[in-house]
Amino acid sequence: QVQLQESGPGLAKPSQTLSLTCTVSGGSISSGGYYWSWIRQHPGKGLEWIGYIYYSGSTYYNPSLKSRVTISVDTSKNQFSLKLSSVTAADTAVYYCARVGDSYDHFDFWGQGTLVTVSS
Amino acid sequence: EIVLTQSPGTLSLSPGERATLSCRASQSVSRSYLAWYQQKPGQAPRLLIYGASSRATGIPDRFSGSGSGTDFTLTISRLEPEDFAVYYCQQYGSSLFTFGPGTKVDIK
Repeated sequence: QVQLQESGPGLAKPSQTLSLTCTVSGGSISSGGYYWSWIRQHPGKGLEWIGYIYYSGSTYYNPSLKSRVTISVDTSKNQFSLKLSSVTAADTAVYYCARVGDSYDHFDFWGQGTLVTVSS
Repeated sequence: EIVLTQSPGTLSLSPGERATLSCRASQSVSRSYLAWYQQKPGQAPRLLIYGASSRATGIPDRFSGSGSGTDFTLTISRLEPEDFAVYYCQQYGSSLFTFGPGTKVDIK
């Protein structure tokens, strides 16, 4: 069974860059066939898709965040990462990593999520 | 971008009752790329239904999905105590994923 685990600082300062990593176990990112995604949830609110990456490094981002987002992959560590620049309090959220299912239209495995608070 | 609307916002029901949740899209959802998730407090969402009507692995058959185009429904045939949660629909189209605002199913 595939498992995902987010890691990274729980606090980011305004105007700085938020950085998170997702470690995948129970399956290899480099085997292909799946996209790997970041999703966030503002406190008490709904879900917002941030972007996804393939093992080859090809990416697609939510246009609303595209100018500030970079998702990268490290197949040697079976990890993928999120960087969100110029953060504000509006970026305070629980950040989830997830696998895009094999029909490429849904998320079948999720990490437990990690809360990132943006505050000085 | 396709916008999803879910109704009702809150559904108050008793265990054993039938729950019917609606998800409406602002444009037709291509190839029925519509999924449903369940989320409990402090937990990640769990995939229930994908492709509008296919149950995910391990999901009980009391959960069923239907619909096409712009109108989709999640039905829980008989509510179990563990089913009280928030339910989100999600669509995929034009390389974008969007989620609905959620329906909370709480105990009456």
